[in-house]
Amino acid sequence: NAGVTQTPKFQVLKTGQSMTLQCAQDMNHEYMSWYRQDPGMGLRLIHYSVGAGITDQGEVPNGYNVSRSTTEDFPLRLLSAAPSQTSVYFCASGDQPQHFGDGTRLSIL
Amino acid sequence: GEDVEQSLFLSVREGDSSVINCTYTDSSSTYLYWYKQEPGAGLQLLTYIFSNMDMKQDQRLTVLLNKKDKHLSLRIADTQTGDSAIYFCAESNTGFQKLVFGTGTRLLVSP
Repeated sequence: NAGVTQTPKFQVLKTGQSMTLQCAQDMNHEYMSWYRQDPGMGLRLIHYSVGAGITDQGEVPNGYNVSRSTTEDFPLRLLSAAPSQTSVYFCASGDQPQHFGDGTRLSIL
Repeated sequence: GEDVEQSLFLSVREGDSSVINCTYTDSSSTYLYWYKQEPGAGLQLLTYIFSNMDMKQDQRLTVLLNKKDKHLSLRIADTQTGDSAIYFCAESNTGFQKLVFGTGTRLLVSP
């Protein structure tokens, strides 16, 4: 899907567990971002990065960490999973327009 | 903050035209997008328009922008069952790639 790869595609966690959602792109894009998609709410921006070493918060950053050590990778970390973080997570990269990965479907029990 | 609104549902018959509407509040929006999401899949960029344009046509897709009313529409001509999906409107400002999405319009095309 336009060179943006997300892993895993599905994941089930228990409350309190931590995990990392991976995102990689091979288009040499500076800009990358993470969104979550919830029913009836569209997509909301969690964190974004304008280049290696630079990250910033989006609309709903609480409970998530990001880092950008390389241009290609932009992992999203859940520090202590909560049921409210059950969602579909999308990574995107690129300038106008952005290209999206296929998503990670995450369930927190 | 910025807000983007869409109707939740649209049902059409195969062969008819579909018109999906979107309104936004940010007057500094520079780029406006239409994405398509099929069940269980990611978002596919359909088309986008710059705010200094009124219309953009791409095969069966026509985008109309009324900047004064902050209204964007997507017309799909000769709608097919394969067009059944959720369609998201999104906007962003110059220099910022952050997208603000609408809630999505579910298009159902019946034979």
